[in-house]
Amino acid sequence: KQEVTQIPAALSVPEGENLVLNCSFTDSAIYNLQWFRQDPGKGLTSLLLIQSSQREQTSGRLNASLDKSSGRSTLYIAASQPGDSATYLCAVTGGGNKLTFGTGTQLKVEL
Amino acid sequence: EAGVAQSPRYKIIEKRQSVAFWCNPISGHATLYWYQQILGQGPKLLIQFQNNGVVDDSQLPKDRFSAERLKGVDSTLKIQPAKLEDSAVYLCASSSGSTGANVLTFGAGSRLTVL
Repeated sequence: KQEVTQIPAALSVPEGENLVLNCSFTDSAIYNLQWFRQDPGKGLTSLLLIQSSQREQTSGRLNASLDKSSGRSTLYIAASQPGDSATYLCAVTGGGNKLTFGTGTQLKVEL
Repeated sequence: EAGVAQSPRYKIIEKRQSVAFWCNPISGHATLYWYQQILGQGPKLLIQFQNNGVVDDSQLPKDRFSAERLKGVDSTLKIQPAKLEDSAVYLCASSSGSTGANVLTFGAGSRLTVL
């Protein structure tokens, strides 16, 4: 059974800092890994998707890496802004397009 | 393209009452998912439909939860009777297929509070 763990559970940083969110998964037989953002009371927004054959994906200030063999992914956020405050969820896709989510990292970027 | 529509956005009921949630996926998306997200946790898959057939309902508490997608488009998720621990956000998502390459699009969710 796939298990996804995210560390840390919560993070508070001053504006402008670069930060790293971590995700680990137990079963390396995945199709892809996604990072989502969730704002309070809202649904999930997909930020980055890394296929199992890829090592990283970049979008603006966000960079996600994937090391499938070790079961790890990181989400790097450069020059953080208060608008980045949200919960970030990592999810891996297994057979049948089934997503298994981590419990998320709650990020707060302070002025 | 229009996103995944869900209603109601919020619902408050007392335990042992029933509730139903509705989802309209993106047009043409064959696969539809219902997820349950309890506060402080990641979403958990309840049921996955491919067109109007069930692909995976292994984590659906079938004694109280039911879901249908009769015409392969809209779907409803019902809880009867509700328990306190059913308080959660119910997320609907859809994708164009069921392979690992298909990206899911999520709706805004329906927040249930059971008193």
